Amino acid sequence: AQSVTQLDSHVSVSEGTPVLLRCNYSSSYSPSLFWYVQHPNKGLQLLLKYTSAATLVKGINGFEAEFKKSETSFHLTKPSAHMSDAAEYFCVVSVGDYKLSFGAGTTVTVRA
Amino acid sequence: EAGVAQSPRYKIIEKRQSVAFWCNPISGHATLYWYQQILGQGPKLLIQFQNNGVVDDSQLPKDRFSAERLKGVDSTLKIQPAKLEDSAVYLCASSPSTDPNYGYTFGSGTRLTVV
Repeated sequence: AQSVTQLDSHVSVSEGTPVLLRCNYSSSYSPSLFWYVQHPNKGLQLLLKYTSAATLVKGINGFEAEFKKSETSFHLTKPSAHMSDAAEYFCVVSVGDYKLSFGAGTTVTVRA
Repeated sequence: EAGVAQSPRYKIIEKRQSVAFWCNPISGHATLYWYQQILGQGPKLLIQFQNNGVVDDSQLPKDRFSAERLKGVDSTLKIQPAKLEDSAVYLCASSPSTDPNYGYTFGSGTRLTVV
């Protein structure tokens, strides 16, 4: 069975500084990996996805993630945080049966 | 394109009562999902429909939860009787395909509080 572990439950950054959200996955097969964002009282929105093409994936709002098979990681980064980036972020894996398995989430707060 | 509509937005009920949630997916999306998101956790799949047929309900507590998707469009999720541990946000999502690479669209969810 596949699963993801988000290594930080909460990340706090200053506006304009880099953001790093860490995710490790466990899968016996080649996974598809996703990052979703959830703003308060809003639905989950897809940020980006990795589906066995380029290992560096660019998403919306300046986010990107790198798939590293040797480290079984799919960390999410953004060079410069904005106040609007404050939200809950979920790392998600899908293998074979197309079921999505969500991580526990990382809450991002952005300090002015 | 209209998004996935869910209602109600909030619901507070007493334990042992029943409750129903409604979802209207994006037009033309054949696949519909219900997820349960308990506070502090990631969403967990409850049931997946393909058109009006159930594809996966292995995580659905069938002794109290039921779901249907009449005519392959709208869907309702029911809990009867509710327990305190059912307090959560119930998310509906739809997709044009069972392949998640096509992307899911999530609704804003229904926040259920059982007291």
